Amino acid sequence: GAVVSQHPSRVICKSGTSVKIECRSLDFQATTMFWYRQFPKQSLMLMATSNEGSKATYEQGVEKDKFLINHASLTLSTLTVTSAHPEDSSFYICSASQGAYYGYTFGSGTRLTVV
Amino acid sequence: QQQVKQSPQSLIVQKGGISIINCAYENTAFDYFPWYQQFPGKGPALLIAIRPDVSEKKEGRFTISFNKSAKQFSLHIMDSQPGDSATYFCAAYHGGNTPLVFGKGTRLSVIA
Repeated sequence: GAVVSQHPSRVICKSGTSVKIECRSLDFQATTMFWYRQFPKQSLMLMATSNEGSKATYEQGVEKDKFLINHASLTLSTLTVTSAHPEDSSFYICSASQGAYYGYTFGSGTRLTVV
Repeated sequence: QQQVKQSPQSLIVQKGGISIINCAYENTAFDYFPWYQQFPGKGPALLIAIRPDVSEKKEGRFTISFNKSAKQFSLHIMDSQPGDSATYFCAAYHGGNTPLVFGKGTRLSVIA
């Protein structure tokens, strides 16, 4: 089955530093990947759509300069949280699709804590 | 505007009982309806999905019932087990490289 690997699973960083989260599709090529943020006991909130070789499309209210997304290859998308602050602490999840109607596979998530 | 409405928010079921979670959608362009199961600290995992050309799909203890005219679909978990305790999300999709639209989730607790 389709596997999406997300690293790191947990990261603690100091306020003002940047953190990079990687999302890899291990056994399929993903032209499109999605990045979500999830607050405790809430649903997934779409942050951006990442397209291979082009700029990401951000949802309204998501700061492009804070959440940098790069989709350099068909199997790798990265999310960089720049100048992180405690309010950026959250659970970040990526997902990718093998193609229409095959279902979207999610990574295992990254718990970011900014201290 | 919430495009996929999910209920209940939380559900407690006795072991061996049937868990039922309901979702309703508004956009008739949606044509793929998956359910995801999420355990604490993990990403969602695809459980089962249905296309609107069928009214029911069963995989093991999990069944999706789909009512196209009512724009509703539901997940039934038969013989619920404590290991089924998780948050369940319904979602909808309308093709291409568009993102899933999620319901708000249902926290299921199966008690012995």
